[in-house]
Amino acid sequence: QKEVEQDPGPLSVPEGAIVSLNCTYSNSAFQYFMWYRQYSRKGPELLMYTYSSGNKEDGRFTAQVDKSSKYISLFIRDSQPSDSATYLCAMSRGSNYKLTFGKGTLLTVNP
Amino acid sequence: DSGVTQTPKHLITATGQRVTLRCSPRSGDLSVYWYQQSLDQGLQFLIQYYNGEERAKGNILERFSAQQFPDLHSELNLSSLELGDSALYFCASSVGLGEGYTFGSGTRLTVV
Repeated sequence: QKEVEQDPGPLSVPEGAIVSLNCTYSNSAFQYFMWYRQYSRKGPELLMYTYSSGNKEDGRFTAQVDKSSKYISLFIRDSQPSDSATYLCAMSRGSNYKLTFGKGTLLTVNP
Repeated sequence: DSGVTQTPKHLITATGQRVTLRCSPRSGDLSVYWYQQSLDQGLQFLIQYYNGEERAKGNILERFSAQQFPDLHSELNLSSLELGDSALYFCASSVGLGEGYTFGSGTRLTVV
């Protein structure tokens, strides 16, 4: 079983839709949870960073972590064509530990 | 600009050769991480350095090695290159105080 599982998609939605992206994980030692956005052949860009369980909101983005279920989510409201990218979940045991990534979900937002 | 600088951006080399990839972390970041990204494997952790010392190793091949210098920049050395080593190589850095990890724009390595 992989440590982090993420549905690779692809996911295609119309502009303005609410997008839900999810990851599950198996390692209960993970404490820090991140979502990255990666445009084609570019470096991953940090979108959201959360510690332990709970919700975090930043503009159109909301990250949720449920440690009891080992499940994390990213919601994108009012999705835009510029949101079209690969979204990667990532997690670590601590702030100076390696990140373990999901394989990424390819999202396309159609105008 | 993320603040993490990777050079070169592109590299084309022949099988059996050796190359060196360079990474300068964000100012103040002590940790440097190297990742390999191929189409079928996603982002795979290779190795981490913290303030000059090796901190963690992932699935890094014996043909690959890395180091972090006193000025905190890091180099990843890839030798006896094979076609399968063609990939994007990313460097990331973190300050280690509860912030996220910042990635560079990567080095695209093509082995022919």
